[in-house]
Order: sequence, then C-alpha cells, then structure tokens
Amino acid sequence: DTGVSQDPRHKITKRGQNVTFRCDPISEHNRLYWYRQTLGQGPEFLTYFQNEAQLEKSRLLSDRFSAERPKGSFSTLEIQRTEQGDSAMYLCASSLSQWGYTFGSGTRLTVV
Amino acid sequence: SQELEQSPQSLIVQEGKNLTINCTSSKTLYGLYWYKQKYGEGLIFLMMLQKGGEEKSHEKITAKLDEKKQQSSLHITASQPSHAGIYLCGADNSGNTPLVFGKGTRLSVIA
Repeated sequence: DTGVSQDPRHKITKRGQNVTFRCDPISEHNRLYWYRQTLGQGPEFLTYFQNEAQLEKSRLLSDRFSAERPKGSFSTLEIQRTEQGDSAMYLCASSLSQWGYTFGSGTRLTVV
Repeated sequence: SQELEQSPQSLIVQEGKNLTINCTSSKTLYGLYWYKQKYGEGLIFLMMLQKGGEEKSHEKITAKLDEKKQQSSLHITASQPSHAGIYLCGADNSGNTPLVFGKGTRLSVIA
C-alpha cells in the first residue's frame, strides 16, 4: 500500500468554475477526512466519512462544497462556483477508526 | 470547542542545537499527534501520545504528554537541516471526533 493518494497535486481555475478533487485512502482504513489549510495556518477540518456515511460537516463547508465517498472507497470533494477565498491546500487523511491518521500530499488550489 | 496553542510560532536555531516546541490544549486530551510538514506538502506523522506522562522517541525527536494531558512538548536534540519544516500538533478530544490542529511552529535550522 502506497499511502493516501490525492489528485491532482495542483489546480489553477478561474473564479466561478467548478473543481473536483479525488482522494484514495489506505485500503483498510474505514475513515476518511478532508481538511483545508491556508498559508500560516494549521489544517482546518471540513468533513469526514466512516465507510460511505458522511458523519460530520464543519460550518466551514458552505453549500458550494460537496463531498462523496461512494462504496466507502475513494472520495471526491467538489467546489462549485469557486471564489478567490477558496484558494488553499486541500488535504485528505484516512484512519482505521480513530487511530493512525495518515495524510496525503494535498491538492493546492489557486483561484484566479 | 477544542483550541490548541503552539509556541513558539517560529524558531531559528543553529545546527547542532537543541530545541523544544510546545502544544497546549484548552481541554483534556484523549490523544495528541505530532506531524511535520514541508512547505507545500502533506503532513508526515511523527508520534502519537495518549497516556498521561507518556514519552516517545524516534531518532533525535522526543515527544512528551504531561500528566494532566493538556500539554505536550516536542524536543529535538542536535538539530540538523533535515529537521527544518513546520511542526503541527493535532488533538483528539474524545476518540471519536476529527483531529483539531494548532497553527504550527515553523523551524529553520541554519549552518
């Protein structure tokens, strides 16, 4: 197993466009998390799944954000009508229940 | 809500010197994670502490969790340029909630 994989690594998009990121967790991990990190800050929690169920969403996750984890495997995070304030590093992590958070390399989004 | 404060915010040390980074929680911790991050990259797991008074070491890095489980320290002995990066602590508040992170400590190691 090669760890948590995120795609793409970098994304530049024009304001108003939709973007979708993908995360492939460690195969035996049942939990998957999305975090957002801006310059000089620690990661901020967005949402998490246990298997295919989305168990918690942060107040940071506006209506323009949606996440899915079909069949409890990979997950996608979509941002609709992107704004410049959405520019950030989007990090995915997975864990086996509450143990062993492993993070991916992140997707850096730049909205121009 | 859970709040984590890291100190110092940034640190510049000469190669070979020792240093300590602190992480203080506003609540009793169920678990405390330390990660290292290079600029523009993901988080690399260092250590996880759960028991009060617990101490773990890996190579030249030692992490401790105090008895009251509200403060952790990360100590690096004989720092090297490879230690440079951002060190983040992440708190597990209950064993069933997502990690909450501090703002990080930026470490630079100069020759």
